[in-house]
Amino acid sequence: QKEVEQDPGPLSVPEGAIVSLNCTYSNSAFQYFMWYRQYSRKGPELLMYTYSSGNKEDGRFTAQVDKSSKYISLFIRDSQPSDSATYLCAMSEGSNYQLIWGAGTKLIIKP
Amino acid sequence: IAGITQAPTSQILAAGRRMTLRCTQDMRHNAMYWYRQDLGLGLRLIHYSNTAGTTGKGEVPDGYSVSRANTDDFPLTLASAVPSQTSVYFCASTEGWRMNEKLFFGSGTQLSVL
Repeated sequence: QKEVEQDPGPLSVPEGAIVSLNCTYSNSAFQYFMWYRQYSRKGPELLMYTYSSGNKEDGRFTAQVDKSSKYISLFIRDSQPSDSATYLCAMSEGSNYQLIWGAGTKLIIKP
Repeated sequence: IAGITQAPTSQILAAGRRMTLRCTQDMRHNAMYWYRQDLGLGLRLIHYSNTAGTTGKGEVPDGYSVSRANTDDFPLTLASAVPSQTSVYFCASTEGWRMNEKLFFGSGTQLSVL
């Protein structure tokens, strides 16, 4: 069993829909949670960074961490075709620990 | 602003050949990393360097070597390539040395070993 599980998709939704992307994990020591967005043939770029539990909002994006369930989510409101990309979750126990990555979910926003 | 530059963009390599993937950053970041990305497996850390002159092993270091002679350059060498090293390779950097900092990635090198 992988430490971090992520549905590979693709997830296809119409423009304007609310998108929910999720990762589950097994290591209860993870404290730092990140979402990266990766466009085709490009490197990932950081989208959201969360420490411990709770919600964090940035524009149309909301990151949610539920440590009790070992589950993190990324919500995208008013989705746009430009949001079409692969979304990677990553998590870490702390500053001296390597990031552990999910395999990514491919998201397609249909105009 | 260039950020991280990787070369080549893609390469087809015969098994057994030696290959060096180049990575240069212009952000004066302290730490640099090499990852490989394979379908269904996510990113896996190969080697890293917290500062010039030091390197460390990641999750999948076998068959790869790195050097960090200066702040800006972090080449990855495959001494004798094997087909299982077919992958997309990403170089990345962080401003500080903490592994959970924001990563800045290059655009990747698609490597096929035949």
